[in-house]
Amino acid sequence: AQSVTQLDSQVPVFEEAPVELRCNYSSSVSVYLFWYVQYPNQGLQLLLKYLSGSTLVESINGFEAEFNKSQTSFHLRKPSVHISDTAEYFCAVMKTSYDKVIFGPGTSLSVIP
Amino acid sequence: DVKVTQSSRYLVKRTGEKVFLECVQDMDHENMFWYRQDPGLGLRLIYFSYDVKMKEKGDIPEGYSVSREKKERFSLILESASTNQTSMYLCASTPRRRYEKLFFGSGTQLSVL
Repeated sequence: AQSVTQLDSQVPVFEEAPVELRCNYSSSVSVYLFWYVQYPNQGLQLLLKYLSGSTLVESINGFEAEFNKSQTSFHLRKPSVHISDTAEYFCAVMKTSYDKVIFGPGTSLSVIP
Repeated sequence: DVKVTQSSRYLVKRTGEKVFLECVQDMDHENMFWYRQDPGLGLRLIYFSYDVKMKEKGDIPEGYSVSREKKERFSLILESASTNQTSMYLCASTPRRRYEKLFFGSGTQLSVL
């Protein structure tokens, strides 16, 4: 069975500073990887995904994540955060044979002015 | 844009009551899901459905049932609500074999007193 670990439950960071949200997964089969974001009082929405090809994937709002198969990681990074990035971030995994999506416990990112 | 609508944003119920949570999607998606979201635990899958009148248990189905009589509507039923079912409930949908992008509703915060 797949599982997802997000070691940091809360990450406070000053505005314009860089941030990394860590995600590790365990799976005996090939997987697809995702980051979802939940802004305050909203539902989750897909931020970025890795299905195949380049191991570095980017979102439209400046986040990027790199799939590292040897370390079974999919860390999310942004070189300079904004107040509007304050949200809950969930890493998720799905078998490439298609199946339900398994979510991690989430990381709460708080951007401090 | 896909819209997934959950009928109530907040619900307060008493222990032992039968509770219905309704979810409607407007994009003709075959797959629909019910998750519960709890702090530190992330999202956990309760039930999902691949088609009308079809349902599959997720990771935590105990104490819940579901109904899918029409393609656009997926109902979650708490037969006899208990305090440990106090949680945020999220509905999601995807097209057939396109699980890589879940479309989420904004959630129902259920409090069982």
